[in-house]
Amino acid sequence: GAGVSQSPRYKVAKRGQDVALRCDPISGHVSLFWYQQALGQGPEFLTYFQNEAQLDKSGLPSDRFFAERPEGSVSTLKIQRTQQEDSAVYLCASSFRVAENTEAFFGQGTRLTVV
Amino acid sequence: DAKTTQPNSMESNEEEPVHLPCNHSTISGTDYIHWYRQLPSQGPEYVIHGLTSNVNNRMASLAIAEDRKSSTLILHRATLRDAAVYYCILRGPLNTSGTYKYIFGTGTRLKVLA
Repeated sequence: GAGVSQSPRYKVAKRGQDVALRCDPISGHVSLFWYQQALGQGPEFLTYFQNEAQLDKSGLPSDRFFAERPEGSVSTLKIQRTQQEDSAVYLCASSFRVAENTEAFFGQGTRLTVV
Repeated sequence: DAKTTQPNSMESNEEEPVHLPCNHSTISGTDYIHWYRQLPSQGPEYVIHGLTSNVNNRMASLAIAEDRKSSTLILHRATLRDAAVYYCILRGPLNTSGTYKYIFGTGTRLKVLA
């Protein structure tokens, strides 16, 4: 497909379970972002990759959150020992260039519900 | 990162123009003004961006104040499919760490009335 693809679309996890969320960015896109969106709120930045390098992880809420992009394409956001407050939509976005006049393309998100 | 201020919600009648305002009084000279929108159950979608001059594309127009402290997204004829949350975001150059991010506020929820 031509867009950013995220899987799964929906994930229900029991509290304490580990989850892995996948993002397939648009081919050739240098930048990749992960965002967390709580119900009724705007997306909140989690982390940024430039190719395979994770240059900014300042938004990750705790050390239970881990992201990787080992080959500079597909990225995985892993949440260990999920808590109820982790319930949110997790959005991935990619961008072809880093220049400030470049648009970002977002996936449809993964809705995580922790029960 | 410079912040933006938008009204929480607006309403428009179908097939009428909509003007969505955004204030960004602390914008710096190198910040681009980006607009994204988020339809229900979708990820944000790029709408338009500009630096100083007004911009037009197939989706919308962007009017930027001369002092760049405010901007307005213009939908020329609103349709029911334009009902979404619209976000105004300032995108600056890479910081000293070589990184950047898009900072979303709460946006403006646009309701289009049939």
